[in-house]
Formats: sequence, C-alpha cells, structure tokens
Amino acid sequence: AQSVTQPDIHITVSEGASLELRCNYSYGATPYLFWYVQSPGQGLQLLLKYFSGDTLVQGIKGFEAEFKRSQSSFNLRKPSVHWSDAAEYFCAVGVPSGGGADGLTFGKGTHLIIQP
Amino acid sequence: DAGVIQSPRHEVTEMGQEVTLRCKPISGHNSLFWYRQTMMRGLELLIYFNNNVPIDDSGMPEDRFSAKMPNASFSTLKIQPSEPRDSAVYFCASSLGGAQHEAFFGQGTRLTVV
Repeated sequence: AQSVTQPDIHITVSEGASLELRCNYSYGATPYLFWYVQSPGQGLQLLLKYFSGDTLVQGIKGFEAEFKRSQSSFNLRKPSVHWSDAAEYFCAVGVPSGGGADGLTFGKGTHLIIQP
Repeated sequence: DAGVIQSPRHEVTEMGQEVTLRCKPISGHNSLFWYRQTMMRGLELLIYFNNNVPIDDSGMPEDRFSAKMPNASFSTLKIQPSEPRDSAVYFCASSLGGAQHEAFFGQGTRLTVV
C-alpha cells in the first residue's frame, strides 16, 4: 500500500522568505501527487498536482513543486511567503487503478507559521 | 456551483446517541469520499462511492459506522452508537472520478461526543 511522509510537523518562516515543505512517498510506481492547503476551520483546497511529464509543476498562489523520482519526493516551494500563507499543508498520493474512483492517501500535514 | 455542502458544521452529542452527517456533492461529480481528520491519525479515508455505489469501505473503523448514497446528490455517514473516540472533523469530498481528478472538499463537520 502507498504511504506519504511529511517529516516536518511545524515550520516557521519569516514573511518574504522562501519556503520548502518536504514530502516523501512510498509506492511501487509513479503515483499521482498532490498538495492541498487547509486554512483554520476550512476544508482542503488543491494547490497543485503531478501526473506525468514536466517534473516541475506550477500551482495556485505562487506555489510550485518538483517531482524527483530518484528520491521519491514531491517538495512544495514558494519563493516569497506572505502572512496569508499560514495554514496546514498536506501532501497526498493517488494510485491509478483503472477501475473507478480512488481515494487519496494523505500525509500528516505540515503546519506553516509565518513570522512578521 | 456552491461547492460540496456538509451539514451540520458542528455537532455535539452524548455517548451512545446516533449521529448522522450529511453531504451534497458538486453536481456532475460521480465520486464521493468521506474522510476523518484527527490530531493523532491525520486525514483518513473512510469510504468512497462511484456512481452512488460503495467501492471501498475498508477505512470504516467499526460496524458502528455506515454510509449511504441513495442518489447522486446526497450522502450520509451515520455513527450508531457514538463514542467519545469518534470525536473528529469529518470531511466529504467529491470529484469527477479517478485518482487523477481533483477532489473538492466540503468545510467539514466537527463532531464532539461527550
């Protein structure tokens, strides 16, 4: 079965600084990869996704992520964070099964704190 | 579209009572998912439906949990009887089907069992 590891439970970044959130997955092939963001009291919103092709994907709100097959990683980056980026970030994998819908397997999340 | 709509937003109930959570997926979406979020276990997939049919309920923790999708626009997650360890935020999500499609999440139902 697939699994997702987000090694950082909390990360604190100064406003305007760059950000990188780590994500590692375990799966026998290349899964579908996602990053979601959750603001307090809200549901999850998709930031970006990777299925195939260019390993650097662009998302909403200025985020990007890079798929590295050799490292089984899909790290999320942003060159300059804003106070509004403070939230919980989840990495997730989806497995192509070819037979109907499949749910996602989520990491435990990384809580991003922005310092003024 | 108003997005995925869940009700109620908050539910406080006593142990042993029946709890029913409701979800209206986005129109046109044929896949629906129920997730549970806790501090200890994170986000867990409980069950998902495709075209109103339950596909995988292996994530349902116990027989006390049941889910139905009587039509394409409505689903319920029922806990009977409820226990304090069921306290969590329950999310419903819908998508066009297949793992490659974005899942749109509702705002969740925060359940507290006392």
